[in-house]
Amino acid sequence: KQEVTQIPAALSVPEGENLVLNCSFTDSAIYNLQWFRQDPGKGLTSLLLIQSSQREQTSGRLNASLDKSSGRSTLYIAASQPGDSATYLCAVLSYNTDKLIFGTGTRLQVFP
Amino acid sequence: EADIYQTPRYLVIGTGKKITLECSQTMGHDKMYWYQQDPGMELHLIHYSYGVNSTEKGDLSSESTVSRIRTEHFPLTLESARPSHTSQYLCASSGPGRLQETQYFGPGTRLTVL
Repeated sequence: KQEVTQIPAALSVPEGENLVLNCSFTDSAIYNLQWFRQDPGKGLTSLLLIQSSQREQTSGRLNASLDKSSGRSTLYIAASQPGDSATYLCAVLSYNTDKLIFGTGTRLQVFP
Repeated sequence: EADIYQTPRYLVIGTGKKITLECSQTMGHDKMYWYQQDPGMELHLIHYSYGVNSTEKGDLSSESTVSRIRTEHFPLTLESARPSHTSQYLCASSGPGRLQETQYFGPGTRLTVL
């Protein structure tokens, strides 16, 4: 059974710091891995989608990497801003189930 | 731009009432999903559909039911709401075609059953 774990569970940093969020998954048989952002009480916004054949994806200040063999992904946020404060969720689409399996998220707070 | 809508956004209702949570998307996506999320917890898939007249139960057992009569519409119904149903319900869609497409999420419905 696929399990997705995110570390740390919460993170508080001053504005301007570069930071790394971690995601690990137990079954490497995946189609893709996605990073989402969720603001309090809101839905999810897709940030980056990495196909299983890819190593990384970049969008603006965000860079996500994927190491499928070790079951790990990282989300790198450069020059963090207060507007980046949100919960970041990692999810994998598994071969076996054809469904997205979510981690519990990392709650990020960036203070001025 | 993703266009997926959920109504109502917030609902407070008494035990025993029948409720329907609406979800609509205007992207022509064939695949649609319902997730349940308790505060601070991960999302759990409760229902999904791969097209009209196709519905399946997800990983988390739920007393709710769904229907997919039209491509753009995927409502979720609770025949008799209970306090244990209090949660946030998120609808998503993806497609068309490849399973590997990203999922687009609606804003969610926060349900409180008294």
